[in-house]
Amino acid sequence: AQTVTQSQPEMSVQEAETVTLSCTYDTSESNYYLFWYKQPPSRQMILVIRQEAYKQQNATENRFSVNFQKAAKSFSLKISDSQLGDTAMYFCAFTDSGNTPLVFGKGTRLSVIA
Amino acid sequence: DVKVTQSSRYLVKRTGEKVFLECVQDMDHENMFWYRQDPGLGLRLIYFSYDVKMKEKGDIPEGYSVSREKKERFSLILESASTNQTSMYLCASSLPGIETQYFGPGTRLLVL
Repeated sequence: AQTVTQSQPEMSVQEAETVTLSCTYDTSESNYYLFWYKQPPSRQMILVIRQEAYKQQNATENRFSVNFQKAAKSFSLKISDSQLGDTAMYFCAFTDSGNTPLVFGKGTRLSVIA
Repeated sequence: DVKVTQSSRYLVKRTGEKVFLECVQDMDHENMFWYRQDPGLGLRLIYFSYDVKMKEKGDIPEGYSVSREKKERFSLILESASTNQTSMYLCASSLPGIETQYFGPGTRLLVL
């Protein structure tokens, strides 16, 4: 069974600094999809970024980028120029197909400090 | 924009009550999912559905059932609520073959 591990339960970062959240996963599949979701306090879970395993290029979305290391089964999220609004729980998730449910990590609580 | 709504943000029920949590999506998504979220455990899948009247068990289906009579609506049922079902419940939907899931705001359930 696939598993997703987030080894940092909590992190903090100063406003305007850069922070990296770690995620590792385990699968025997060659093609799959990885996601980072963000859940702000008392607010809805939203997609931050996704990566398709067959794509070599790391995905980026504005201040958010990933470092996808397929051989190491690692998928870290980098947040540049951190803002107070980035304070949230961040979940890493995996699926091997469009019709297989996501497997989530346990989450990393990120606090951005002014 | 995709919209996924859940019938209640907060719910308080008594042990033994039958509880219905409703989820509605407005984007004609075939796939719908129910998760529960607990501190330190992340999101765990309870049930999912790929089409009307279809359902599949997730990782923790015990004590729950689901109903999908219409494409846009996916209900989670706690047949006899217990205190260990106190949790945050999240509904999500997606299109087949499109892996991004869209989440509702969640229902925080307290069972006394």
